[in-house]
Amino acid sequence: GAGVSQSPRYKVAKRGQDVALRCDPISGHVSLFWYQQALGQGPEFLTYFQNEAQLDKSGLPSDRFFAERPEGSVSTLKIQRTQQEDSAVYLCASSSNPMGQGSYEQYFGPGTRLTVT
Amino acid sequence: SQKIEQNSEALNIQEGKTATLTCNYTNYSPAYLQWYRQDPGRGPVFLLLIRENEKEKRKERLKVTFDTTLKQSLFHITASQPADSATYLCVTQGSGGYNKLIFGAGTRLAVHP
Repeated sequence: GAGVSQSPRYKVAKRGQDVALRCDPISGHVSLFWYQQALGQGPEFLTYFQNEAQLDKSGLPSDRFFAERPEGSVSTLKIQRTQQEDSAVYLCASSSNPMGQGSYEQYFGPGTRLTVT
Repeated sequence: SQKIEQNSEALNIQEGKTATLTCNYTNYSPAYLQWYRQDPGRGPVFLLLIRENEKEKRKERLKVTFDTTLKQSLFHITASQPADSATYLCVTQGSGGYNKLIFGAGTRLAVHP
C-alpha cells in the first residue's frame, strides 16, 4: 500500500508568515509523530499522536508550533509567525503500535523542507 | 541528558569490503536499539531492531551488535555495494511509558566502485 506522504515537499516563507504542513500516514496506523531535522543532524522529536489524541508535545520548541490530528488520520503541523531558526526539514512518521507498548518501527514520509527568508 | 554519538566523519570504503559503523550512548540504558538508513532528500527507512537481551542480529548482509556494558552498538554491512551509500542513523528507545525514539546524527557511508 501507499506509504507516508507529506505536502508540500518544499515551502519558502517570509519571516512572520504562518505555514501549514500536512502529513498523510499509512492507513490504520494509530501512532503519528512529527520531527524536525536540521542539516547534518538526526530527527528531533516534536510531538506524538495516538489516534486523535496528542499525548506528548514536549518537543515543540515554542507556542508558535501547533499540531492537530482531528480524525485520527491526517495531521497538520502549523507554525505561526515563522522565524529563520524554524528553517529545517519537518518529517512525519507513523507506526502501527502505540508508543509505550514495546518496540515499534516508524515509517517516515519524505519530509517538508521549510526555508524562512 | 540522554546522548547518542555517531562518527560525524564520512566513512569511505571500497566495494566488496565490510563497512562498520559505531554508535555509543551515554547516561541511560535503552531497551531497544534501531538502525535506519536515510538517503538525501528522503525520510529515514527502518533497517533493524535489536533488544537489550540480544547480543547480535542479522538480516541479509546486515549485522548489528548491542553491548549494554560498553553502551555501544556496531552496525556492519558485508560485501558492500555503491548502492549502500547513504547516511545511517542509530536510534535508541526505552521501554514503557512514552518511549520516544532518540536519533543520533548519523554517519555517512560512501562505497566506491
